[in-house]
Amino acid sequence: QKEVEQNSGPLSVPEGAIASLNCTYSDRGSQSFFWYRQYSGKSPELIMSIYSNGDKEDGRFTAQLNKASQYVSLLIRDSQPSDSATYLCAVGIQGAQKLVFGQGTRLTINP
Amino acid sequence: DTAVSQTPKYLVTQMGNDKSIKCEQNLGHDTMYWYKQDSKKFLKIMFSYNNKELIINETVPNRFSPKSPDKAHLNLHINSLELGDSAVYFCASSPGRLAPGELFFGEGSRLTVL
Repeated sequence: QKEVEQNSGPLSVPEGAIASLNCTYSDRGSQSFFWYRQYSGKSPELIMSIYSNGDKEDGRFTAQLNKASQYVSLLIRDSQPSDSATYLCAVGIQGAQKLVFGQGTRLTINP
Repeated sequence: DTAVSQTPKYLVTQMGNDKSIKCEQNLGHDTMYWYKQDSKKFLKIMFSYNNKELIINETVPNRFSPKSPDKAHLNLHINSLELGDSAVYFCASSPGRLAPGELFFGEGSRLTVL
């Protein structure tokens, strides 16, 4: 089983709709969770971090964490064409001092 | 000023050659990393250094040798290049090793082995 799993997509969403990205992880002791965005040909950039169960909102982005289900998600409201990118879920592995990434979900927002 | 800078951005070379990639960060961070991103966009950690000390060495062939002369620099030397080494190599830094969540990535170095 992979440590961090995401649906690779592509996920296609119309402009203005809500895009929902999902991620599951295997290490039950993980305490830190992150979403990175990577535009084609560019480097990943951090957009959200979450450490506690529940929702965390930042502008149009909401991260959701459920540690019991080992599940983390990212919602993008009012999706814009500029949100088209690959979204990488990353999990801090307890005791290993490292961040493990999922394979990324490619999101396309259609005008 | 670029926070994490890598050189070169592109390398094209033949199998069997040796190549190096350099990385520098001006963020004052203690921890630096090398990640490899393959053609399927999977981003995998290779090495991590904290204040010049190697703290993570994933199952990477020993043809890959990192070197950190000081905490602001982390270089990667690759010997006897193979076709499978073709990838984008990202350098990254973070403020601390115990909470390595917020990584600041360089622009990447795209290596093509022919």
